[in-house]
Amino acid sequence: DTGVSQDPRHKITKRGQNVTFRCDPISEHNRLYWYRQTLGQGPEFLTYFQNEAQLEKSRLLSDRFSAERPKGSFSTLEIQRTEQGDSAMYLCASSLVSGGPPDTQYFGPGTRLTVL
Amino acid sequence: DAKTTQPPSMDCAEGRAANLPCNHSTISGNEYVYWYRQIHSQGPQYIIHGLKNNETNEMASLIITEDRKSSTLILPHATLRDTAVYYCIVRSDPRALNFGKGTSLLVTP
Repeated sequence: DTGVSQDPRHKITKRGQNVTFRCDPISEHNRLYWYRQTLGQGPEFLTYFQNEAQLEKSRLLSDRFSAERPKGSFSTLEIQRTEQGDSAMYLCASSLVSGGPPDTQYFGPGTRLTVL
Repeated sequence: DAKTTQPPSMDCAEGRAANLPCNHSTISGNEYVYWYRQIHSQGPQYIIHGLKNNETNEMASLIITEDRKSSTLILPHATLRDTAVYYCIVRSDPRALNFGKGTSLLVTP
């Protein structure tokens, strides 16, 4: 299967700990997105990369959140000093932007974070 | 991006067509209509998208009204595995998807 993969699928941590999630996009996709989804809500945009450049960050992305895509392939999302309010599903999506219509984003299975 | 309105929930009998409506009365000329679905605890799955013309693929059909102010996603023969939340999204800029709350479709035996 060559879809978007995310690791880990589940993470339980204690309040105040740091966590890091990884996303591997579909091969050759140049754009990578991170979203967050809380219970009963649709996914909400956090940030996105075009190759290795982070082009936009949502207001949801507080200073405790940082994302990287160092070589334009996989990406990591780190949350420092986790809070209970960070408990959510973190979703990654990738797409190929080629200058035509808006890109179609393909999502991974998500990482479910539980902060105790 | 234009805002969309969808019914919060719908039911459909297995084997029948599921017709999911979406209102996007403020859509602009360069905005596309996208449909995604999300099965419980999984990532969203792309279904189909269109600009003006009706579109069909192996999963569904998308019917867009001539004035483009509304659209309907059609699942021709719904199965139990089609039970999911369906999101209608209007988008022009190649950036974030604005998911909203979607329609929760329940397919019953």
